Amino acid sequence: AQSVAQPEDQVNVAEGNPLTVKCTYSVSGNPYLFWYVQYPNRGLQFLLKYITGDNLVKGSYGFEAEFNKSQTSFHLKKPSALVSDSALYFCAVRDIGAGNMLTFGGGTRLMVKP
Amino acid sequence: EAQVTQNPRYLITVTGKKLTVTCSQNMNHEYMSWYRQDPGLGLRQIYYSMNVEVTDKGDVPEGYKVSRKEKRNFPLILESPSPNQTSLYFCASSGILNTEAFFGQGTRLTVV
Repeated sequence: AQSVAQPEDQVNVAEGNPLTVKCTYSVSGNPYLFWYVQYPNRGLQFLLKYITGDNLVKGSYGFEAEFNKSQTSFHLKKPSALVSDSALYFCAVRDIGAGNMLTFGGGTRLMVKP
Repeated sequence: EAQVTQNPRYLITVTGKKLTVTCSQNMNHEYMSWYRQDPGLGLRQIYYSMNVEVTDKGDVPEGYKVSRKEKRNFPLILESPSPNQTSLYFCASSGILNTEAFFGQGTRLTVV
């Protein structure tokens, strides 16, 4: 069975500093990986995905993620954090055999302080 | 505007009283699914559907039912709700290709 781990419940960074939110995965075949963000009282919003190709994927709001097959990781990054980036972030892997649906990590709360 | 619409957004009910949470998408997506979100557990899949009249269990299907009679709608049914089904529920849809899933705004259910 596939799985996703987000080892940090919370990440604290100062505004303007770079941020990293960690994600590792386990799948039997090729990974299809996603990052979503959830703001308070809102649904999940898509940030970016890795299907194939370049290991560095660029997404919405200045976020990017680095796919590392040997380390089975897909860490989310941003060069300069904004206070408005504070939210709950989820990493997910897709199971093509299960209706194209997603297995999520437990989520990481990002707190960006002024 | 492409969207997934869930109703109601908030619901408080009593144990054993049947309820339905509706979900509708306007993107002609084949795949639809339901998730529940609980603190520290992320989102867990309840049921999914690959097309009309095709549904299957996810990771936590106990106590839930679904139906997919039309492509756009995928209601979640709780025949006899219990307090352990108090949670935040999300409906999602996606297309056949490797597209991202679109999520509804969520339904916060409290069972007392």
